[in-house]
Amino acid sequence: EAQVTQNPRYLITVTGKKLTVTCSQNMNHEYMSWYRQDPGLGLRQIYYSMNVEVTDKGDVPEGYKVSRKEKRNFPLILESPSPNQTSLYFCASSFSGGAKTQYFGPGTRLLVL
Amino acid sequence: AQSVTQLGSHVSVSEGALVLLRCNYSSSVPPYLFWYVQYPNQGLQLLLKYTSAATLVKGINGFEAEFKKSETSFHLTKPSAHMSDAAEYFCAVSSGYSTLTFGKGTMLLVSP
Repeated sequence: EAQVTQNPRYLITVTGKKLTVTCSQNMNHEYMSWYRQDPGLGLRQIYYSMNVEVTDKGDVPEGYKVSRKEKRNFPLILESPSPNQTSLYFCASSFSGGAKTQYFGPGTRLLVL
Repeated sequence: AQSVTQLGSHVSVSEGALVLLRCNYSSSVPPYLFWYVQYPNQGLQLLLKYTSAATLVKGINGFEAEFKKSETSFHLTKPSAHMSDAAEYFCAVSSGYSTLTFGKGTMLLVSP
């Protein structure tokens, strides 16, 4: 089944404790992206990757890191989480090109205490 | 630069009534436009998209949207609402690359 998977789905952590949220897709998509969703703000892009070893900042990159060493995986790293990073995170992937449909993972709900 | 404005954070309709969710966009190049739906505790699912072919686009679950360049709009409609349509709807724009810019979303509430 074609899908985007994220792990973990739910995470509670404390300020400053490094964490990684994994994202994997099995559709051979070049493009992958991370978004955060906050009430009243919609989805905002954190980082994106056009292909392996090619990443770029989105609209809200502060406090996050990413890497793209393999085509299928695009982990999101929070090196020193803070409470304002409490949010719902979505990973998405697509073939490259503006008209291509992005496929979303199920989301990761993060609470930083 | 590109942006999306969705008018109304919440829209309430009765079951069987017309659904109209408004979306206006801004883009410096011809846009690609999308509507996504998010059911409670789920990820986003594509409803429909405009990619410069027909201006009236039909999607899943009876939804459709019309691209109006003169009005920079891409409103979503459905003739008759069903209880199962209750969800949050997001309009999004893309301009030449894969980067999507989303609106803030409209929560559709359907009452019996």
